[in-house]
Amino acid sequence: DTAVSQTPKYLVTQMGNDKSIKCEQNLGHDTMYWYKQDSKKFLKIMFSYNNKELIINETVPNRFSPKSPDKAHLNLHINSLELGDSAVYFCASSQTTGYGDTIYFGEGSWLTVV
Amino acid sequence: AQTVTQSQPEMSVQEAETVTLSCTYDTSESNYYLFWYKQPPSRQMILVIRQEAYKQQNATENRFSVNFQKAAKSFSLKISDSQLGDTAMYFCAFSSGNTGKLIFGQGTTLQVKP
Repeated sequence: DTAVSQTPKYLVTQMGNDKSIKCEQNLGHDTMYWYKQDSKKFLKIMFSYNNKELIINETVPNRFSPKSPDKAHLNLHINSLELGDSAVYFCASSQTTGYGDTIYFGEGSWLTVV
Repeated sequence: AQTVTQSQPEMSVQEAETVTLSCTYDTSESNYYLFWYKQPPSRQMILVIRQEAYKQQNATENRFSVNFQKAAKSFSLKISDSQLGDTAMYFCAFSSGNTGKLIFGQGTTLQVKP
């Protein structure tokens, strides 16, 4: 069983389209995250949720809207896709928001905007 | 603001030899955690080792160990008896506070040669 699973793994879409990436964790964790890895492999946090409540919104454009229907799911919806949105998006989870908690990552969703 | 710096973009090592990856960080926090994550070509982010700042003893996990120098704000990773499966990108990361947020370095690509 995959602990943190995200779909789709690969996504190619045209500029201007709207797309969603879904994430689910079966670890019973309270906290979930979205990280973005750009073309230079740099990883940066986008959002975090704790028990469905938004904790971090790291100055991400409004075109990105996370949604957490319950604490096991955190989806990412992106409107009006731009070329610069091409990246690998990682979903992750941890037991709490405590700084010592291990963060478990999904396998990533590779988004290519053409 | 906290920052994490990995000054070695690429490194290589012969199989069975030892290699050390460097990481420095900057923070005014007194307690925090440091992590090394491995990202093989599959893109999966895998936790290698973690260190709490209050612990003076360096963490060890099998062939992986760290050299944590708190005063120098240095956190290097030593891989002993390198194996081909260690070929990956390695990220140093920092976490503090109660948001669970990880701040990553730029990454070091390690190639283990047969």
